[in-house]
Amino acid sequence: QKEVEQNSGPLSVPEGAIASLNCTYSDRGSQSFFWYRQYSGKSPELIMFIYSNGDKEDGRFTAQLNKASQYVSLLIRDSQPSDSATYLCAVILATSYGKLTFGQGTILTVHP
Amino acid sequence: ETGVTQTPRHLVMGMTNKKSLKCEQHLGHNAMYWYKQSAKKPLELMFVYSLEERVENNSVPSRFSPECPNSSHLFLHLHTLQPEDSALYLCASSPGTGELFFGEGSRLTVL
Repeated sequence: QKEVEQNSGPLSVPEGAIASLNCTYSDRGSQSFFWYRQYSGKSPELIMFIYSNGDKEDGRFTAQLNKASQYVSLLIRDSQPSDSATYLCAVILATSYGKLTFGQGTILTVHP
Repeated sequence: ETGVTQTPRHLVMGMTNKKSLKCEQHLGHNAMYWYKQSAKKPLELMFVYSLEERVENNSVPSRFSPECPNSSHLFLHLHTLQPEDSALYLCASSPGTGELFFGEGSRLTVL
């Protein structure tokens, strides 16, 4: 089992819809979870982090964490074509001494 | 000045060449990282420096040699690389919270 796993997609949603991106992780003791966005040809940029179970909202983005089920998700409401990018899930695993472990990323395409 | 700056942005080298990648951060962070990004693969952590001391060497071949002369600068020295080393090399800095601030990357092609 991969330490951090994402469906590579591509995930295609129409403009205005909700995009749902999912990530599972193997280490039950993990405490810190991050979502990065990477546009084609660009470097990753942090869009959200979450440490506690439940939802965390920031504008059109909501991160959801369920530690019991070992998954973290990112919802993008009112998706725009400019949201088309690769979304990387990253986790500080309990055994990693503070290092981030990345999933392979989910490609999101928002079509007009 | 942008937060994390990498040079060169693009590099083509032969297998017998020696070259270096440079990274500079203007964010006052104490930790700096080198990551490798290849197509269809997750970001791979290569090296971590904290307060100029190497704290992580993630089983990286010795043909990659990092150097951190101070908390603002990080180098990756390259020699006798292989074609499979062609990738995007990303530098990042962190304030220690787990948040990474990436540079734009150096696209390396080994012929």
